[in-house]
Amino acid sequence: QVQLVESGGGVVQAGGSLRLSCEASGFIFKNYVIHWFRQPPGEGLEWLAVISSNGNTIFYADSVKGRFTISRDNSRNTLYLQMNTLRPDDTAVYYCAREAYYAPGTSPTWYFEYWGQGTLVTVSS
Amino acid sequence: QSALTQPASVSGSPGQSITISCTGSNSDVGRYNRVSWYQQHPGKAPKLIIYDVTLRPAGVSNRFSGSKSGNTASLTISGLQADDEADFYCCSHAGVRSSYLFGGGTKVNVL
Repeated sequence: QVQLVESGGGVVQAGGSLRLSCEASGFIFKNYVIHWFRQPPGEGLEWLAVISSNGNTIFYADSVKGRFTISRDNSRNTLYLQMNTLRPDDTAVYYCAREAYYAPGTSPTWYFEYWGQGTLVTVSS
Repeated sequence: QSALTQPASVSGSPGQSITISCTGSNSDVGRYNRVSWYQQHPGKAPKLIIYDVTLRPAGVSNRFSGSKSGNTASLTISGLQADDEADFYCCSHAGVRSSYLFGGGTKVNVL
């Protein structure tokens, strides 16, 4: 079955860095577009970044552009989120999610079929 | 870009129907027939329950239905059950640099 497992969360001081991983299994990872989201404690969901199936196309939310970097290693079935210059308001549960499949050159599906269980990042001031 | 607007909470008794609204603009909800809805129980990951405004993934109860009129999408839960008590989020493509907008979330209370 499809599984996405995030790891790498923890407590970090403001200004520090952290790298999150999202290990995928149960599907052909290299065929899918994957996204990162976050959810601050007691708050709603926020989209952060997306990476195409081959890693060549990437977009970021304005809130993280220039500080966060999304990447993937299709040989390891793993997605990454490098987070630099962290701030207390980056404190959240971070989720990876798989976008529903669409063939290259066709319209994106724009919805998220499978989500990981999340990993908590706490940025202390 | 502003988040989509949802009511903070909606309540209903078992067996009743409730509707959650999700209001955006003509740049997002009104522009694309691509609204999706997610259910999130406490401490759990979001779960897709509606996509492309009205479609249900395999395995999702037909008690969940979606619709859209203009810039407002809606999720209706019929035959409300205790397990429906959760947070519900709407989502739309924002049309800008492939970004996405979520609603602030609606807590469904089953009385």
